[in-house]
Amino acid sequence: GEDVEQSLFLSVREGDSSVINCTYTDSSSTYLYWYKQEPGAGLQLLTYIFSNMDMKQDQRLTVLLNKKDKHLSLRIADTQTGDSAIYFCAESSVDNAGNMLTFGGGTRLMVKP
Amino acid sequence: GAGVSQTPSNKVTEKGKYVELRCDPISGHTALYWYRQSLGQGPEFLIYFQGTGAADDSGLPNDRFFAVRPEGSVSTLKIQRTERGDSAVYLCASSPYRQGRIEQFFGPGTRLTVL
Repeated sequence: GEDVEQSLFLSVREGDSSVINCTYTDSSSTYLYWYKQEPGAGLQLLTYIFSNMDMKQDQRLTVLLNKKDKHLSLRIADTQTGDSAIYFCAESSVDNAGNMLTFGGGTRLMVKP
Repeated sequence: GAGVSQTPSNKVTEKGKYVELRCDPISGHTALYWYRQSLGQGPEFLIYFQGTGAADDSGLPNDRFFAVRPEGSVSTLKIQRTERGDSAVYLCASSPYRQGRIEQFFGPGTRLTVL
């Protein structure tokens, strides 16, 4: 079945850029997503990218997709303490009529002041 | 507008008991999803509704789990004979259309603890 992998932890200093990486195995993945989860809160959709794109930028967020290597990354520019959270990569497939999401295990981002 | 709401926010029960978890989706959203998030892991898909019908229940772990959405809006996830391994946060999400609008909007979750 589908598998989505992420590193567990990332620590950066305030003002630096953060890069969170994700790999996936499903070659039919159509949409790839980044969600943010803060303690006690629900999942917040940050951004998503279609598999026929290789980059998407939205304010401080840049998503890069290498479809050949099945590698997705999220870059957060000028990282702030409020960006500290768990970030989940997720994918869904055109074969999946219900658009169900397959999530990675999450990367905990810690931003030090 | 109002987002997805879930009740209760926390539920503590004893092994072997029956529980019901409720999800109120965003008004007008036809698609509704249940996911389960165990400690330290990402959410895992359980079941998907399009309107009133369960279009895909392939993620339900066994027949102790069941979900309904009788009027195409509110959904209830039902767990019979709860086990300690059922302890997790149960997340509900809704989406406007089956395809075409792909965003899923998540509720805050219900934290289930089985003692």
